[in-house]
Amino acid sequence: GENVEQHPSTLSVQEGDSAVIKCTYSDSASNYFPWYKQELGKRPQLIIDIRSNVGEKKDQRIAVTLNKTAKHFSLHITETQPEDSAVYFCAASRNFNKFYFGSGTKLNVKP
Amino acid sequence: NAGVTQTPKFQVLKTGQSMTLQCAQDMNHEYMSWYRQDPGMGLRLIHYSVGAGITDQGEVPNGYNVSRSTTEDFPLRLLSAAPSQTSVYFCASKQPGQSEELFFGEGSRLTVL
Repeated sequence: GENVEQHPSTLSVQEGDSAVIKCTYSDSASNYFPWYKQELGKRPQLIIDIRSNVGEKKDQRIAVTLNKTAKHFSLHITETQPEDSAVYFCAASRNFNKFYFGSGTKLNVKP
Repeated sequence: NAGVTQTPKFQVLKTGQSMTLQCAQDMNHEYMSWYRQDPGMGLRLIHYSVGAGITDQGEVPNGYNVSRSTTEDFPLRLLSAAPSQTSVYFCASKQPGQSEELFFGEGSRLTVL
């Protein structure tokens, strides 16, 4: 099966700085890569996703990049705000039925 | 729309007891799934269903049973609970073809003593 590794496990940044979270995957057939945000005590929610036919996708302060050759993808958050503090999970899927999640990154944005 | 509703939110069981976690969605989603979330391990897929009458195993299916008799409901059964099944369980649904976004329930925290 697929193996998704996520780094770092914790990330602390100053408000206004950028944050980058990286994931690698093992199954070269994976073709869909979503990112979920989970606030403390809440349910995970999709923030952005990318498919394998695209190298980069942006949505306001959030962007995701994908390198299929190296089998890694990254989440970039610019101009971080305290409300960005949460746990972020990457995931990979080859058929949109089985999703394999990374272990999560706890982002702390200090005011 | 209520979205994805899970019950109960909290449950304490003794080893060997059985129970069912309920999941219902009112979005007419064909796909439903169950995950468990453990500290430092992210979300792991237990079982999923692509439609009524169809279920399949995920990454960690042992010790869990599911069925899908209707589009709306996808219960998760623990036949003989073990301490290793202490976890937070999330149900999630999506409608293939529109978007691959998983809509999660609020979660059910299960403790097995």
